[in-house]
Amino acid sequence: EVQVVESGGGLVQPGGSLRLSCAGSGFTFSTYWMSWVRQAPGKGLEWVADIRGDGGEKQYVDSVKGRFTISRDNAKNSLYLQMNSLRAEDTAVYYCARDWSRSFDPWGQGTLVTVSS
Amino acid sequence: EIVLTQSPVTLSLSPGERATLSCRASQSVSSYLAWYQQKPGQAPSLLIYGASNRATGIPARFSGSGSGTDFTLTISSLEPEDFAVYYCHQRSNWPLTFGQGTRLEI
Repeated sequence: EVQVVESGGGLVQPGGSLRLSCAGSGFTFSTYWMSWVRQAPGKGLEWVADIRGDGGEKQYVDSVKGRFTISRDNAKNSLYLQMNSLRAEDTAVYYCARDWSRSFDPWGQGTLVTVSS
Repeated sequence: EIVLTQSPVTLSLSPGERATLSCRASQSVSSYLAWYQQKPGQAPSLLIYGASNRATGIPARFSGSGSGTDFTLTISSLEPEDFAVYYCHQRSNWPLTFGQGTRLEI
């Protein structure tokens, strides 16, 4: 079964840092672009960042550039999102998703990040 | 940035009826348009990719059409489990973007 599973969410103070992880299984992880997508409480979906299979290309939404870093370890079939200088507006469920045929499939169950003092 | 505008925001229908959801892009996205379904408390799941291709396991009552800037998701005969929020998504240009969603309610 193809699946991705996120971990690492939690409560963090404004200005703090957090690292999210995503474990992929059931597919050849290194051959796929991978993405992070977030959803603020009661709101819609927002793409955050993606990374090419070999890690050689990365893209970010403007609102996280310079604060978030996407990375991967293909030996561990893992995707990461290092989030620094967190703001209240970064509060959201963060989903990991595989890029497949110019869509996202599958999605993980999500991990909640809450930025609050 | 390509803006996707979905309409209507809310669609109220009954089981057995036909649902037509629209997604309009601010510039051409060719056929790089996907649709997702999200039920309360769950992650989104892929319905349609490449504007008109059903994802694995998706019932035939779901169909997608369109290219360029205007796209449609049609559910031919609503089942109770179809009441959810639907998002369109473009994969033509970075930043990747989503529509604001259409809530399909009874």
